[in-house]
Amino acid sequence: EVQLVESGGGLVQPGGSLRLTCAVSGFSFSSYWIHWVRQAPGKGLVWVSEIEGDGTTTHYVDFVKGRFTISRDNARNTLYLQMNNLSDEDTAVYYCVRGGAPNALDYWGQGTLVTVSS
Amino acid sequence: QSALTQPPSASGSPGQSVTISCTGSSSDIGGYNYVSWYQQHPGKAPKLMIYEVSKRPSGVPDRFSGSKSGNTASLTVSGLQAEDEADYYCCSYAGINNYYVFGIGTRVTVL
Repeated sequence: EVQLVESGGGLVQPGGSLRLTCAVSGFSFSSYWIHWVRQAPGKGLVWVSEIEGDGTTTHYVDFVKGRFTISRDNARNTLYLQMNNLSDEDTAVYYCVRGGAPNALDYWGQGTLVTVSS
Repeated sequence: QSALTQPPSASGSPGQSVTISCTGSSSDIGGYNYVSWYQQHPGKAPKLMIYEVSKRPSGVPDRFSGSKSGNTASLTVSGLQAEDEADYYCCSYAGINNYYVFGIGTRVTVL
């Protein structure tokens, strides 16, 4: 069974940092692009970042460039999102998602809530 | 990159059909056959319903179908059932500068 389990969310002050983790099982992790997608409370989905299977290629949405870093440890079947200089606009549920279908997102984790507030 | 345009709401009675539109531009929907649709029930993670404009993943009922014309994609849910009541989001690949853009979402209500 394909599973993606996010953790690491919580309350952080503006300007602070947080690292999200996504533990993966049930498929060959290193063979897939993995994405982060976020959803602010009561709002729609927003694509944030993706990383290629071998970790060599990464992409980001413009408003997180220079602040967020996506990475992966294929030996541990784990994906990361390092988030720095957070603002209240970054408050959202962050989903870890497998890019299993051509340019589509086929398996989603349950999400982890990040709240940026003083 | 602006979000794709979807109607905020749509509705239909059980057994009827509902079609949701998703409008973008030649930089996203019109430029690629990589439109996908996601269903999200309240408090749950999204679920992939359609990929590559009209393909259904295994396990998705054939009541769900997708299409595209120019810069607009559509999702049709035929034979509406109570469990189809949810939010639906379209998504398109948008090239090497913008990557992926989602629609604003459409809430489907089964009357």
